[in-house]
Amino acid sequence: AQSVTQPDIHITVSEGASLELRCNYSYGATPYLFWYVQSPGQGLQLLLKYFSGDTLVQGIKGFEAEFKRSQSSFNLRKPSVHWSDAAEYFCAVGAVTGFQKLVFGTGTRLLVSP
Amino acid sequence: DAGVTQSPTHLIKTRGQQVTLRCSPKSGHDTVSWYQQALGQGPQFIFQYYEEEERQRGNFPDRFSGHQFPNYSSELNVNALLLGDSALYLCASSSLREGRETQYFGPGTRLLVL
Repeated sequence: AQSVTQPDIHITVSEGASLELRCNYSYGATPYLFWYVQSPGQGLQLLLKYFSGDTLVQGIKGFEAEFKRSQSSFNLRKPSVHWSDAAEYFCAVGAVTGFQKLVFGTGTRLLVSP
Repeated sequence: DAGVTQSPTHLIKTRGQQVTLRCSPKSGHDTVSWYQQALGQGPQFIFQYYEEEERQRGNFPDRFSGHQFPNYSSELNVNALLLGDSALYLCASSSLREGRETQYFGPGTRLLVL
């Protein structure tokens, strides 16, 4: 069965500093991997996704993520955080075949300090 | 191009009542998935509809049922509401043509059960 672990419940970063959010997954093969962002009271917006190929994927809003098969990780990074990045971030895994259901982690809440 | 839309945005019900939530998928999408997001948690997969049939189901009781219409829109019905059904209900759409892996989420319906 698929599962996702986001070990950090909250992270506080100063504006302009770099950011890394951790995600570890469990799946029997190479999965589809996603990062979504959720602002308060809103739905989920897709930041980026990994299916195959280059293990460093670029997303919207200056985010990137790196797939590391050996560590079963898909960490999200941003070189310089803006106050508007404060939100909840969810990592998700999907099966490669068949109809898709996404399995989400419990999320990491990002706080940005001035 | 309209994205995924959901109605209503908020809903208050009492225990034992029934509720119907509605979702219109993104233009060109034929598959609709429903997720439940309890406060402080990641979304949990409820079920997925394609060609008006339920294709996958998560670990939710039969009180949760759904329907997909010929125009691809969908409804989620919950009977005999419990306090624990209070949550944000998210609809996501995807398309076989684009690759069903990528799901686009609506803003959600926030359900409060008193």
